[in-house]
Amino acid sequence: TQLLEQSPQFLSIQEGENLTVYCNSSSVFSSLQWYRQEPGEGPVLLVTVVTGGEVKKLKRLTFQFGDARKDSSLHITAAQPGDTGLYLCAGEDGAGNMLTFGGGTRLMVKP
Amino acid sequence: DAGVTQSPTHLIKTRGQHVTLRCSPISGHKSVSWYQQVLGQGPQFIFQYYEKEERGRGNFPDRFSARQFPNYSSELNVNALLLGDSALYLCASSLEDSNNEKLFFGSGTQLSVL
Repeated sequence: TQLLEQSPQFLSIQEGENLTVYCNSSSVFSSLQWYRQEPGEGPVLLVTVVTGGEVKKLKRLTFQFGDARKDSSLHITAAQPGDTGLYLCAGEDGAGNMLTFGGGTRLMVKP
Repeated sequence: DAGVTQSPTHLIKTRGQHVTLRCSPISGHKSVSWYQQVLGQGPQFIFQYYEKEERGRGNFPDRFSARQFPNYSSELNVNALLLGDSALYLCASSLEDSNNEKLFFGSGTQLSVL
């Protein structure tokens, strides 16, 4: 069974601070996706990383896929209250659309 | 265009009852997946259907079943409900059944089992 562990589980920071969320596994994934989920809504895809060592930027968000394709990180620069939400990483093992999700990191950014 | 729509949005059942959840994918999407998200956890894969055929099944008991219709909509059925089945049930659709397909999630059905 493939498992994805996210850390930290909870994060409460002030507006303007930087933060990093980690997603780790002992298994290799063909790709890794990051989602953001708000209360009462389904997850919304932020980015997909496919190549080991790949780095993608989405405005103030930087995503990195580990060289061995077993881990990933999400770095947010100068966090804003609008970044508040549940951040989920999900790995795809190459067998269709079945995703293995991490437990999530609940982020709160205080003004 | 409408996104993935799920019905009902909320549902309250008692132990032992049966429930049917419905999902309409984005127009043109042929693949539908179901996930269970227990409070405080990440979603867990239940089923994937593509062109009316089951393509994947997660580690869930036989009380859980699903099907996909010719119009690509889908139903998830759960029999003999247990308290532990209380969760947000998410449906996701994608164009095809291939790697790195972008999944679009609905807002889910919040099921409470009393």
